[in-house]
Amino acid sequence: GAVVSQHPSWVICKSGTSVKIECRSLDFQATTMFWYRQFPKQSLMLMATSNEGSKATYEQGVEKDKFLINHASLTLSTLTVTSAHPEDSSFYICSAPWAGGSKNIQYFGAGTRLSVL
Amino acid sequence: QKEVEQNSGPLSVPEGAIASLNCTYSDRGSQSFFWYRQYSGKSPELIMSIYSNGDKEDGRFTAQLNKASQYVSLLIRDSQPSDSATYLCAVNGAGGSYIPTFGRGTSLIVHP
Repeated sequence: GAVVSQHPSWVICKSGTSVKIECRSLDFQATTMFWYRQFPKQSLMLMATSNEGSKATYEQGVEKDKFLINHASLTLSTLTVTSAHPEDSSFYICSAPWAGGSKNIQYFGAGTRLSVL
Repeated sequence: QKEVEQNSGPLSVPEGAIASLNCTYSDRGSQSFFWYRQYSGKSPELIMSIYSNGDKEDGRFTAQLNKASQYVSLLIRDSQPSDSATYLCAVNGAGGSYIPTFGRGTSLIVHP
């Protein structure tokens, strides 16, 4: 299967600072990546679809100015949480579809646990 | 709106038993179906994929798909405590779309 690398795996920051999370497809190219957020004991919530070379598509209710997404290459997407606040503390996960065998399977990064103090 | 429904559980089964996890979906044109396992505090990992009606077996896991009933299930034979996790059903949309819709997940507890 394909490998998606995500880092950092864990970050603690002060309220008001910005945090950048990187998501890389290691052995395949991903023109699209997905960013999810998951609160404890809740389901995955799709935040946005990251598109290489163009603007991200945000889901309803997700502030695009707060969650900045950049997909500058075919193997890297970044999510920047700007001016983070305690309510942004969550588990952020990226995924990328791998079209091997003509079937698009989502492979997930290991996730980033963000704690905002 | 595309929906994927799962019973949140928890589903509790004894070690060695068969665990049966179910999922229904609303988009009749869906073509690709996946089961992911998510341990607490970890990201989802792919367990099974299925694309055509019928059964697909991989080790202790069997995925079953019935497109007419818009129903997909996952059977885990000889359940082990290490199978205790949340199982997510994911469905890709029609026309070969790779944008998945995830269910809320079913929590499985396998007790010794």
